[in-house]
Amino acid sequence: DVKVTQSSRYLVKRTGEKVFLECVQDMDHENMFWYRQDPGLGLRLIYFSYDVKMKEKGDIPEGYSVSREKKERFSLILESASTNQTSMYLCASSSRLVYTGELFFGEGSRLTVL
Amino acid sequence: GNSVTQMEGPVTLSEEAFLTINCTYTATGYPSLFWYVQYPGEGLQLLLKATKADDKGSNKGFEATYRKETTSFHLEKGSVQVSDSAVYFCALSSNFGNEKLTFGTGTRLTIIP
Repeated sequence: DVKVTQSSRYLVKRTGEKVFLECVQDMDHENMFWYRQDPGLGLRLIYFSYDVKMKEKGDIPEGYSVSREKKERFSLILESASTNQTSMYLCASSSRLVYTGELFFGEGSRLTVL
Repeated sequence: GNSVTQMEGPVTLSEEAFLTINCTYTATGYPSLFWYVQYPGEGLQLLLKATKADDKGSNKGFEATYRKETTSFHLEKGSVQVSDSAVYFCALSSNFGNEKLTFGTGTRLTIIP
């Protein structure tokens, strides 16, 4: 069964802390994505990556950075967490070589910043 | 830019009722259209898709038809079940091959027995 695994389901951090959200996929996918999900706003793309060490900004990259050192792993970094970054974060992956339009999502990481 | 507008929820229906969730879009060119579903406590998963005008996507009793003339992709099901309770997202992709999706705001559906 294909799988996207996010390291933490629930996190509570304090304002100003550095936060790492980890995502691993086992499907050998080229594309990986980080979305943020908020009520009434749907999913908004933060960053995406087409390949190792490659990254591109999505629609709301401010306050975030990413790292992709290995094909299977895509990390989202909040350099200095703020309360307005309290949200559900969803990682997804897809194949670049075989276009189906299907993204495979992890279960999400719910982050609360106090 | 691309955008997706979904009917606002929440939507509450009785079991076996007919379901319609409206979705309209704005995009350049010829986008692909998708419905994703998020069951409680889970990530999103693809429900159905359509890649060109007049295509009908279908899965698990759900259907949606790609209408270019009305820029719509409404989700329908003839008889809903309690297990259909979830959040439904309409989405589009206008760039072939990179699957960068633009999502709607989501519609929460609750089915009561």
